[in-house]
Amino acid sequence: GDSVTQMEGPVTLSEEACLTINCTYTATGYPSLFWYVQYPGEGLQLLLKATKADDKGSNKGFEATYRKETTSFHLEKGSVQVSDSAVYFCASIGASGSARQLTFGSGTQLTVLP
Amino acid sequence: DVKVTQSSRYLVKRTGEKVFLECVQDMDHENMFWYRQDPGLGLRLIYFSYDVKMKEKGDIPEGYSVSREKKERFSLILESASTNQTSMYLCASRRPNYGYTFGSGTRLTVV
Repeated sequence: GDSVTQMEGPVTLSEEACLTINCTYTATGYPSLFWYVQYPGEGLQLLLKATKADDKGSNKGFEATYRKETTSFHLEKGSVQVSDSAVYFCASIGASGSARQLTFGSGTQLTVLP
Repeated sequence: DVKVTQSSRYLVKRTGEKVFLECVQDMDHENMFWYRQDPGLGLRLIYFSYDVKMKEKGDIPEGYSVSREKKERFSLILESASTNQTSMYLCASRRPNYGYTFGSGTRLTVV
């Protein structure tokens, strides 16, 4: 079945540092790919998405590019802020299934220090 | 904006109790989901429903059941709570071909 593997955490960075969180997927066909963010005490929010190869999703300074050749969707940000501290989840939806449910990675805890 | 409301943020229940977790969405979405979130394991799908009275098992349905009598409400039921069901439970809804909207979660502790 489909699966998503993401970089294990926790990740601790200083403010204004560069961030990369790796994510790779396995799927039949061409899934849609997502990054979700969970701030402390809250549910998950969609951060960005890409639905086909070479698409780049972006939001709030974060970017991720759908790379079919490496089956990857790495999350990047050039300069992190303290307010970016959260748990980040990579996820995919395959083309099969009546409700097309999301498959999640294990999550990466990011802490940004001032 | 679509809103998904989970009735409780925190619950403490005793082993063997029957527990109901309620989820309501206000945008007439067909699809609704229950996940549990555990450290190092990410989110795992328990059950989902693609219409009223329709339900399908997810990856970890054992020890759980669900009810969807009305389109806006999807309930997760722990028939006899056990300590290994201590977790964060997240409800989500979705309209086909659109994204998911998650509730804020219910942190359940079974003692």
